Amino acid sequence: GAGVSQSPSNKVTEKGKDVELRCDPISGHTALYWYRQSLGQGLEFLIYFQGNSAPDKSGLPSDRFSAERTGGSVSTLTIQRTQQEDSAVYLCASSLVVVAGELFFGEGSRLTVL
Amino acid sequence: AQRVTQPEKLLSVFKGAPVELKCNYSYSGSPELFWYVQYSRQRLQLLLRHISRESIKGFTADLNKGETSFHLKKPFAQEEDSAMYYCALSGRLGDSGGSNYKLTFGKGTLLTVNP
Repeated sequence: GAGVSQSPSNKVTEKGKDVELRCDPISGHTALYWYRQSLGQGLEFLIYFQGNSAPDKSGLPSDRFSAERTGGSVSTLTIQRTQQEDSAVYLCASSLVVVAGELFFGEGSRLTVL
Repeated sequence: AQRVTQPEKLLSVFKGAPVELKCNYSYSGSPELFWYVQYSRQRLQLLLRHISRESIKGFTADLNKGETSFHLKKPFAQEEDSAMYYCALSGRLGDSGGSNYKLTFGKGTLLTVNP
């Protein structure tokens, strides 16, 4: 019954390491989004999943970034060989696709790359 | 392509003063416009959408297609309105060639309402 759940809430890693961020959307929401929130850059779209359709990966900044969604529910965003510029808050959101624009956001995962 | 511009990174007003947060957009089809708000230590949430023409917490926003704007207004600001505000755009469902599911956000305006 809770909202969108993300974990970990905070992650500190060393440059070059891989990280995985998890998102558990609201039950029944078929659409799932990942955004990146950086100071001065606003919200940057990363990737979108909708049902069984092919995901829209057009926002992923490099091939070090990937995401998957298993069973139409939980999603994992993976960043390989992290760089300092990857430091940001990664936000997940879900929605009922028929209600365009009404996204429900998680609290985010704050990633710090040292 | 979809683009949302919020020209002010920071906006500071006194309690009781009118406030207007500016938003301009670029989109070739029929846009859906939204305002999202993020209060301190809270998650980002929908404030209002143009299609419902509603007033939430005293805020209103009118879509001006001629000026491609969707400014957010409130006649008398309150301290609890202090937050980060994001304007966002999506294509209308059914628009051909458009990203009718993807929200494009502006960079946000941090509003501070001083006592």
